[in-house]
Amino acid sequence: KQEVTQIPAALSVPEGENLVLNCSFTDSAIYNLQWFRQDPGKGLTSLLLIQSSQREQTSGRLNASLDKSSGRSTLYIAASQPGDSATYLCAVRGGNNRLAFGKGNQVVVIP
Amino acid sequence: GAGVSQSPSNKVTEKGKDVELRCDPISGHTALYWYRQRLGQGLEFLIYFQGNSAPDKSGLPSDRFSAERTGESVSTLTIQRTQQEDSAVYLCASSVAWDTEAFFGQGTRLTVV
Repeated sequence: KQEVTQIPAALSVPEGENLVLNCSFTDSAIYNLQWFRQDPGKGLTSLLLIQSSQREQTSGRLNASLDKSSGRSTLYIAASQPGDSATYLCAVRGGNNRLAFGKGNQVVVIP
Repeated sequence: GAGVSQSPSNKVTEKGKDVELRCDPISGHTALYWYRQRLGQGLEFLIYFQGNSAPDKSGLPSDRFSAERTGESVSTLTIQRTQQEDSAVYLCASSVAWDTEAFFGQGTRLTVV
């Protein structure tokens, strides 16, 4: 069974600092990995999808890296803003087609 | 529609009653997922539909839970004889194919009293 772990569970950073969020997974036989953002009381917003053959994917201030063999992904958010405050979820898709989620990184950006 | 739509957004029901939750996926999306998120917990897989294939029901927690989907359109998740532990946010997602980007709806918050 795929286990997905996100560290740290929670973090606070001052505005302008770069954010580094880590995701690890136990089964490296994945098809892709997707990062989401969840605001309180809301659904999930897709941020980036990175295929198993890719090493990284970028969208604006966001960059996600993937090291499939070691079972790790990192989401970098450059120059954080208060609007980046949210919970960030990592999900991996394996051979059973379902997305296995971590419990999230809860981020607070302090103005 | 522009995104995945779920209804109702909130549902309060009495213990023992049946409830039906609805998901309208993005048009043309063949894959559809249901997840449950209990307060303070991670997302728990419930069921997966892919086109006309038999659904993967392995995540349904008990026989009180069932889901249907007609073709590549609307899906309904039914919970019979609701219990307090069924209280959660139920999230639906769809994707063009099984290995492409998944898009989630806003969820249905179910409260069993």
